[in-house]
Amino acid sequence: DVKVTQSSRYLVKRTGEKVFLECVQDMDHENMFWYRQDPGLGLRLIYFSYDVKMKEKGDIPEGYSVSREKKERFSLILESASTNQTSMYLCASSLQGWSNQPQHFGDGTRLSIL
Amino acid sequence: AQSVAQPEDQVNVAEGNPLTVKCTYSVSGNPYLFWYVQYPNRGLQFLLKYITGDNLVKGSYGFEAEFNKSQTSFHLKKPSALVSDSALYFCAVRDEGLTGGGNKLTFGTGTQLKVEL
Repeated sequence: DVKVTQSSRYLVKRTGEKVFLECVQDMDHENMFWYRQDPGLGLRLIYFSYDVKMKEKGDIPEGYSVSREKKERFSLILESASTNQTSMYLCASSLQGWSNQPQHFGDGTRLSIL
Repeated sequence: AQSVAQPEDQVNVAEGNPLTVKCTYSVSGNPYLFWYVQYPNRGLQFLLKYITGDNLVKGSYGFEAEFNKSQTSFHLKKPSALVSDSALYFCAVRDEGLTGGGNKLTFGTGTQLKVEL
């Protein structure tokens, strides 16, 4: 089974801090994704990566950046955290080249910005 | 552009009764359609997908979904609901003709299913 591991389940940070969310997958997937989930809004794509060092903006990239130095690891960075970034963050991975493949998700990081 | 709609925020059903969670989609080409389930404080789990072929797709935990091209719908169904099916359900779509972007999916806003005794 594919395993996507997010380093923290719960995280509390302060406004203005630089925050790192880490995600690791063990199935050699090319694609990796970061979403945020908010009640009533569903999942919104922040950034995705289809290869090492490659990244593309999703629907809501403002205030975020990403890093993918190794194939298995995809990091989400909040450059200067703000209270409106309090949310559930979900990482996912999938095979590339076959767009009918499902994405596999981690258990999420519930981030609170105080 | 691709989009998906889940018209019901919540669906309530009695245990043992059939359940339906609705999903409609919009794409330019042919759709790839997915259903996911999310239990409290967990990530999304893949249930089933429609790519091509038979309009009735069977998935995990006894769920199935019916693809209807003329109505642009992909409703999730189960003949007999269990209390343990209570969870948040997401429909997602990808346009087959969409190039680039990995396999970027567009998700609906989710439907909370509550199965009561």
